Amino acid sequence: DGGITQSPKYLFRKEGQNVTLSCEQNLNHDAMYWYRQDPGQGLRLIYYSQIVNDFQKGDIAEGYSVSREKKESFPLTVTSAQKNPTAFYLCASSHRDYGYTFGSGTRLTVV
Amino acid sequence: GQQLNQSPQSMFIQEGEDVSMNCTSSSIFNTWLWYKQDPGEGPVLLIALYKAGELTSNGRLTAQFGITRKDSFLNISASIPSDVGIYFCAGHTGANSKLTFGKGITLSVRP
Repeated sequence: DGGITQSPKYLFRKEGQNVTLSCEQNLNHDAMYWYRQDPGQGLRLIYYSQIVNDFQKGDIAEGYSVSREKKESFPLTVTSAQKNPTAFYLCASSHRDYGYTFGSGTRLTVV
Repeated sequence: GQQLNQSPQSMFIQEGEDVSMNCTSSSIFNTWLWYKQDPGEGPVLLIALYKAGELTSNGRLTAQFGITRKDSFLNISASIPSDVGIYFCAGHTGANSKLTFGKGITLSVRP
């Protein structure tokens, strides 16, 4: 079955550490996206990529970095520069103007 | 930029009741989508609308693409406890454009 997989489901980070969230899709979608979700704030776009080896900043890119070396993979690194990283992170992929397919999310907590 | 307005932020209904949710914008959208997010999971596409005036059903769900292309509604009939979750509207403004999301409405169903 085709789908989009995020791992891990739960992640704990110490202050000052970088962590990387994984996102893999086997839907053959060209575009991939990372969103951050906080209670009551909806979905905020962090980064997106429409083709391999290219990506653009979204609305809240500061403190995050991404790479797109393969069509199937779009990992997100939350760096120590992100001052308030505790949130629910969602990855999505899409083909042209069709709707996005979302992963099941990663909950990141700073301890 | 484009914004999609969903209100209120939360709705509380009794099991068995119908509920209707609106999504409005000052901009024209070419595609309207409705997603549902269960707690701790990623959003799942419920209904996609591609033509102004289109009315589409999916089981107990009915959605319409407004004739002005600036609004859409989602109706849930005979609500059940598993309808609880966050309902997002989303839309595309043009070819290859990113999806714009509303902030979502959290639905609670009292048994």
